[in-house]
Amino acid sequence: QQQVKQSPQSLIVQKGGISIINCAYENTAFDYFPWYQQFPGKGPALLIAIRPDVSEKKEGRFTISFNKSAKQFSLHIMDSQPGDSATYFCAASILGDYKLSFGAGTTVTVRA
Amino acid sequence: DAGVTQSPTHLIKTRGQQVTLRCSPKSGHDTVSWYQQALGQGPQFIFQYYEEEERQRGNFPDRFSGHQYPNYSSELNVNALLLGDSALYLCASSPGTGVTPQHFGDGTRLSIL
Repeated sequence: QQQVKQSPQSLIVQKGGISIINCAYENTAFDYFPWYQQFPGKGPALLIAIRPDVSEKKEGRFTISFNKSAKQFSLHIMDSQPGDSATYFCAASILGDYKLSFGAGTTVTVRA
Repeated sequence: DAGVTQSPTHLIKTRGQQVTLRCSPKSGHDTVSWYQQALGQGPQFIFQYYEEEERQRGNFPDRFSGHQYPNYSSELNVNALLLGDSALYLCASSPGTGVTPQHFGDGTRLSIL
């Protein structure tokens, strides 16, 4: 069964807008939550990651918000640009474990 | 500095055949993981190799096997191919132990006819 549930499946945003992708998990042993960006024909590339002892992490235009009690985390892409058009995957793992459990992905399209 | 490299880029096989996919990890990385990504889905963990041994395995049948060489490169072997094995196969490498794989290759697209 899928251990990480991701929504929406796809979204369209205007240039300069905010893209928001949500993920939820059940396994409370998860303690490492990365986000990956994947362009067509390419492998996933690590974008940003967070540990559950932090409620928010920001790197440039990308921000992860983490709600431990709700077992949810989200990615916000601020000032979205056409170059951000890609598929985004949330993932989770137990630090020290080696397996990443991925969500199903969200395809983001940024309209100019 | 070369990243994770995978070969071949694309492969077409027929049902029942066997296939071998190859991966060279990023320089300095000694741990290799393999993932299967079906079309429109997130990657699914197959297994991980460290010190030439399978360290952890996901929910995949024994038809999927692997190997790691002393230079840390790795192979994924799939026997008795099924139509459902059509997918993008991704290799990821990481340095040392206890570190979540972060560096993915661009994958091998396997199509089963």
